[in-house]
Amino acid sequence: DTEVTQTPKHLVMGMTNKKSLKCEQHMGHRAMYWYKQKAKKPPELMFVYSYEKLSINESVPSRFSPECPNSSLLNLHLHALQPEDSALYLCASSQAYAGLGNQPQHFGDGTRLSIL
Amino acid sequence: GENVEQHPSTLSVQEGDSAVIKCTYSDSASNYFPWYKQELGKRPQLIIDIRSNVGEKKDQRIAVTLNKTAKHFSLHITETQPEDSAVYFCAASGFLGAQKLVFGQGTRLTINP
Repeated sequence: DTEVTQTPKHLVMGMTNKKSLKCEQHMGHRAMYWYKQKAKKPPELMFVYSYEKLSINESVPSRFSPECPNSSLLNLHLHALQPEDSALYLCASSQAYAGLGNQPQHFGDGTRLSIL
Repeated sequence: GENVEQHPSTLSVQEGDSAVIKCTYSDSASNYFPWYKQELGKRPQLIIDIRSNVGEKKDQRIAVTLNKTAKHFSLHITETQPEDSAVYFCAASGFLGAQKLVFGQGTRLTINP
């Protein structure tokens, strides 16, 4: 069973809609990530939060807006998306780096997003 | 930035045989190398990882080797089974990278009964 829970599993939205993706983990991890995965491609990093602060933004368009309201939750707010944004959006979590060395990242099942 | 190349892109082996997938990385500062298995429609699942201070790590039928000098690492699966069929991704992460994983392009492994 996955310990990183993502909702919804599927989302279809129009280009003018506003929606949010949610991710939750209860493993005490203090680093959380959003990835985008297109079909037959590897996951591509979008954002990294460490101790609830945004530490990496991989030059993602502003129509994607991340939010980390607490150490267990991660949101991705979507607005005015384009058809090419259709993809699987994966959330992951890990122990924070904090001198421990890189820590294993554990993924959720993802939200499959379709933009009409 | 880091670049990870993975070969082969597809691999087909007979059940019971071994499978080897190879990755090379470009950034000598990278020090953490995980491998993920992704079945169709499912999440990437961490199957094994290795750090730069270790040359080899084994977990039952799965092993990973790392050659820091040559900047390459490999996944070895022995006694393959049909349930090993999936896409496998290697990844690399640097010491100062704030846990930024860079993935290879993936290998689709098919185990033929």
